[in-house]
Amino acid sequence: EIVLTQSPGTLSLSPGERATLSCRASQSVSSNYLAWYQQKPGQAPRLLIYGASSRATGIPDRFSGSGSGTEFTLAISRLEPEDFAVFYCQQYHTSPLTFGQGTKVELK
Amino acid sequence: EVQLVQSGTEVKEPGESLKISCMGSGYTFTNRWIGWVRQVPGKGLEWMGSIYPGDSTIMYSPSFQGQVTISADKSTNVASLQWSSLKTSDTAMYYCVRGYYGTINSYFDYWGQGILVSVSP
Repeated sequence: EIVLTQSPGTLSLSPGERATLSCRASQSVSSNYLAWYQQKPGQAPRLLIYGASSRATGIPDRFSGSGSGTEFTLAISRLEPEDFAVFYCQQYHTSPLTFGQGTKVELK
Repeated sequence: EVQLVQSGTEVKEPGESLKISCMGSGYTFTNRWIGWVRQVPGKGLEWMGSIYPGDSTIMYSPSFQGQVTISADKSTNVASLQWSSLKTSDTAMYYCVRGYYGTINSYFDYWGQGILVSVSP
């Protein structure tokens, strides 16, 4: 099983600031089969990024994904008020499909 | 428009059985994997397993193998998740999800609204 470890656990930032979230895999995620999701309170998660760096339909370009192998990053260039949420990475290269434990981006 | 519509909140007692459902619409139901993701209150996301309705192939996470049963009815476009004997530790939100690709190795591009299952004596 591929274990995904996200850091930090919580990120306290202000609107307009840049957020950088990390996702580290216990073994290589080939073909960059890595996705990111955003979950707001009381809502289902929504897909942000797939293939490590491709934005899903309708996702603003302030969200970007990068990385390969075992190290992946989600960046939010300038935080908007609606961006504060919990973010999860997920690998889909190997079954069982696994998620990271999440990073909460909270208002400072 | 692709939609995954789930059945409503369930309140059960330990030992009871339960089957929850998810209806897919707006796409060819038999061509995409449908999965289930658990979220214990205040915790993260866990993939439980997925089914390919086209041929009823099922993949379970080892953590949930033997604990739940996943099925799908391609005549009604409904996927289901069932328990034969609930435990209090089954209390969680359960999301159905659609896999983008036609293989198990896929991210989830659509999510149902979630079903809250509450199990208490």
